[in-house]
Amino acid sequence: EVQLVESGGGLVKPGGSLRLSCAASGFTFSNAWMSWVRQAPGKGLEWVGRIKSKTDGGTTDYAAPVKGRFTISRDDSKNTLYLQMNSLKTEDTAVYYCTTLTAQAAFDIWGQGTMVTVSS
Amino acid sequence: QTVVTQEPSFSVSPGGTVTLTCGLSSGSVSTSYYPSWYQQTPGQAPRTLIYSTNTRSSGVPDRFSGSILGNKAALTITGAQADDESDYYCVLYMGRAWVFGGGTKLTVL
Repeated sequence: EVQLVESGGGLVKPGGSLRLSCAASGFTFSNAWMSWVRQAPGKGLEWVGRIKSKTDGGTTDYAAPVKGRFTISRDDSKNTLYLQMNSLKTEDTAVYYCTTLTAQAAFDIWGQGTMVTVSS
Repeated sequence: QTVVTQEPSFSVSPGGTVTLTCGLSSGSVSTSYYPSWYQQTPGQAPRTLIYSTNTRSSGVPDRFSGSILGNKAALTITGAQADDESDYYCVLYMGRAWVFGGGTKLTVL
């Protein structure tokens, strides 16, 4: 079964850091382009960032609100995607989803999400 | 700042047809933006419906269809059912970034 399972969410103070993980199974993770998408409480979906497969260069791109604070990485040996979040702000409070990306630039498989709350 | 526009809400009668749209604050949506559509019910992760303008994702019934209508991407639901009552999001690919629309809350009544 194709599956993505996020973990690592929780409560953190403004200015703090948190690392999210996304464990993949049921497909060849090393070949997959991956993305993070978030959703603030009661709000819509927002793209956070993307990482290409290593064979395609492994490069990353980020949305403007998180650029310079968030870092996406991957460990293909562990079939795991990461989102390192630094200098967190209250507006980063959201459910964070990891997703696969298709060759047609669409989000395909979604995890169940992990909640991050930034509050003092 | 690119803004992707969607109707905030829409209603459709059971069995009816509804078309939701996805536009740009400046300019026209074309297939080059690879528009895709997602359905989300409260408390659940999004589900992929349509990608690359008009390709249905695996398992999506054929009453969901995507197209370009005028200068917007469109999602049409034909023969709406009660469990189609959801939030629907479109997203456009901007080359090295993706921008979601604000979503449309569809009511079936």
